[in-house]
This record gives sequence, C-alpha cells and structure tokens, in this order.
Amino acid sequence: QSVLTQPPSVSAAPGQKVTISCSGSSSNIGNNYVSWYQQFPGTAPKLLIYENDNRPSGIPDRFSGSKSGTSATLGITGLQTGDEADYYCGTWDSSLTVVVFGGGTKLTVL
Amino acid sequence: EVQLVESGGGLVQPGGSLRVSCAASGFTFSTYAMAWVRQAPGKGLEWVSGVTGSGGRTRYAESVKGRFTVSRDNSKSTLHLQMNSLRAEDTAIYYCAKGIGDGKFVESDYWGQGTLVTVSS
Repeated sequence: QSVLTQPPSVSAAPGQKVTISCSGSSSNIGNNYVSWYQQFPGTAPKLLIYENDNRPSGIPDRFSGSKSGTSATLGITGLQTGDEADYYCGTWDSSLTVVVFGGGTKLTVL
Repeated sequence: EVQLVESGGGLVQPGGSLRVSCAASGFTFSTYAMAWVRQAPGKGLEWVSGVTGSGGRTRYAESVKGRFTVSRDNSKSTLHLQMNSLRAEDTAIYYCAKGIGDGKFVESDYWGQGTLVTVSS
C-alpha cells in the first residue's frame, strides 16, 4: 500500500494527450514538491519533472507537471509509442521524514 | 559525463549482511545528496535511504531503519549501503541516485544501473 495513490494503468492513442494523477495528503504533496519519473522495463528510472512543474534539460515539453492541494498530475501530449513505460510520482513526507513514491502507472499507447 | 556504477550485490542468506557500493564520477560528489532506491521484482520504487553531501544528515525508510546504514567517502566519490539482518523482503534491485542538489532526496537526476540483492536460503 503506497502513501501516494496513482492509477495502475492509463491508455490513449498515439498523438493524443493523457494525464496521470497522484494523490496524497497534507504531510506529503500538500506541503512539498513533487517529482515524476519514467521507467522502461529493465532500466533505471529517469527524472521527468521536479519541483512540481520543472523539466530537466533534455526532457521535451510534451511532458508537464502540475500540483493542486494534495494532488499532482503528469500530462503527456502528442503521445508516441515510445512513451509506453511506467510512471512514478514522488515527494517528501514531512511526518514520516522519508521520500514516498506512488505505486506507479503503466502507460499504454494503443 | 555523470556516471554512477553500483557493485556488491549478490545472493545472501536470511540474517546475513552485505555492503553495496556506488562509484560516482563526472561531478563534484561532495556537493550533492545521494540516495538508495530499491525495486523488488515486478514491484514499484521504494526509497531506502538518503545522505546529504557532507554525510552529516541521513534518513532511512522505516522498513530498514536499524538494519541498514548509509555512508559516503567523499575523498573517493563513493556511496555505500551496509545491509545487516537481511530478510527475504529486502530482495530487490538497489539503485543509487544523485540528487539535483544538496539535501535534495526526492529529485534524482542521475541513476546507476542497479545491483541485484537476493536474500534466500
């Protein structure tokens, strides 16, 4: 049972837009920055978004992040088959004093 | 070029100990927080531990507190995770990850390839 809640899976057609939600509480998302990671099978995670809505260099602007209250959202536009991966949200939990991750969301591009 | 290379994984019996390490290069190691994140087979990410650039502050997941110890040797740009009293549920790929700044445990912009730790009799 993860502290942050993500949908297990989402799907959309190539070229379309998809959003992945991440729900938490005031002790984590509500008062801390959120990051998003992309992970392909058999490889290490890759930082997509940090501090809610910032993209590291090299990450295309098709990827975006937002936060409102105790929830965060990752948006991906212009979906490509190469975007099929697992996506994780993460943040600091001020009560637990640890980093917490969501359970992950598997994106399928139909 | 930033590189993180883990080593030290392997098969260990329940109750045993193991030390995994992460050799870093391509950046000023002492000025960045580092973290260990693990992933059990077929499961999601679980943050294990983090340490600030100086090594002066450490944090642990509740599941490993008292059993695992994170340390760093800034003179050798190396991160370690000493794992004692290992349990079957500690079986996972262990990744080391570099924070985007000192004290930044959540935002990790570079990751190693991971080292597999298997706890089994």
